[in-house]
Amino acid sequence: DAKTTQPPSMDCAEGRAANLPCNHSTISGNEYVYWYRQIHSQGPQYIIHGLKNNETNEMASLIITEDRKSSTLILPHATLRDTAVYYCIVRDVTGGYQKVTFGTGTKLQVIP
Amino acid sequence: DTAVSQTPKYLVTQMGNDKSIKCEQNLGHDTMYWYKQDSKKFLKIMFSYNNKELIINETVPNRFSPKSPDKAHLNLHINSLELGDSAVYFCASSLFPIPGQRTELFFGSGTQLSVL
Repeated sequence: DAKTTQPPSMDCAEGRAANLPCNHSTISGNEYVYWYRQIHSQGPQYIIHGLKNNETNEMASLIITEDRKSSTLILPHATLRDTAVYYCIVRDVTGGYQKVTFGTGTKLQVIP
Repeated sequence: DTAVSQTPKYLVTQMGNDKSIKCEQNLGHDTMYWYKQDSKKFLKIMFSYNNKELIINETVPNRFSPKSPDKAHLNLHINSLELGDSAVYFCASSLFPIPGQRTELFFGSGTQLSVL
């Protein structure tokens, strides 16, 4: 799996948009970008994923640059419950199995 | 209903003991995983099984032995526990990964293992 680089921590005011960047400059054409988050002491939770196009679901939006070397996860209206560690992962399944490797992530603190 | 459940939630034991952690998923998934999260919060994959067959085995001491009696269960047995085994162990499951198909991981709530 391609390696990802994320800032170690970010703050966001409650109610504002949280924009979490991720660099994955060595991503290959068949690798997906996945985002997970881990709220303190819980298991990681899937947020969203994409290949080339921007994606949106009920939790977040994912913006992937045209060259696919970076992406941004957007939480449109951050709440205190969004305080968590956010992991950006690139994943290849062409080998017939997936090995989801977590990096160090970004610790997002939502401030009241 | 809990999708991926692990037991026990907490496990405190002495060095040298043997212990097991159980995991069950009711999502109908083919593939299950064990992850270890150490005190520095790094989350590392240990094993993955697909339909009871081991498909990923990272560099894990052979004191750790996963067992999958059926595709809904993946248990982790640890022999001769050491201080360094203290960590949170997470079980996860997913559909069998196919290109183009969404195959995110669903995690259990973790087992906090403390070796004294």
